[in-house]
Amino acid sequence: ELQLVESGGDLVQPGGSLRLSCVASGLTVGDDYMNWVRQTPGKGLEWVSVIYRGGSTYYADSVKGRFTISRDDSKNTLYLQINNLRVEDTATYYCARAIKWNAFDIWGHGTLVTVSS
Amino acid sequence: DIQMTQSPSTLSASVGDRVTITCRASPGSWVAWYQQKPGKAPTLLIYLASTLQSGVPSRFSGSGSGTEFTLTISGLQPDDFATYYCQQYNSNSLYAFGPGTKVEIK
Repeated sequence: ELQLVESGGDLVQPGGSLRLSCVASGLTVGDDYMNWVRQTPGKGLEWVSVIYRGGSTYYADSVKGRFTISRDDSKNTLYLQINNLRVEDTATYYCARAIKWNAFDIWGHGTLVTVSS
Repeated sequence: DIQMTQSPSTLSASVGDRVTITCRASPGSWVAWYQQKPGKAPTLLIYLASTLQSGVPSRFSGSGSGTEFTLTISGLQPDDFATYYCQQYNSNSLYAFGPGTKVEIK
């Protein structure tokens, strides 16, 4: 079974940092286009970042310079390092695989990040 | 930046109805559709505007080209009451989601 399991979400103060993890099973993160997508409470979906098979990374303008996507192929794990957290970063963060046609076919269950003082 | 729109934002319908959701995307984009239920991750319904994802019931269909795309549910079932999102991929701005359409019970 193809599965993605996120962890690392927490309650943090503005300006703080977190590292989110996404462990994959049944698929290889190094062979796919792996993404982070977030959803603010009661609101819609926002694409955050992608890491391509070759290692290239791209970010939404709203997180550029503060978020870093990476992966550890030996652990089959995707990461999202989030620095200088803002209240508006409060959201459920999902990892998701993008298939060849750039649609997200496999999603994790999400991990909640709450930024509040 | 990609600016996507969806209409309507909320749709009230009955079991058995045919419903249509419209999405406006940037030219030249690949479009996908998702269903999301409360507290759950989205699930992929349609990709490349009209290709049904494996395992998705055939009452779901997608169409469109250029900048206007539609998701149609033919014969709404109780399990279909949910929020639906379109998503586009564009080589300039990469990925973006529409604001969503909530399908409610009339």
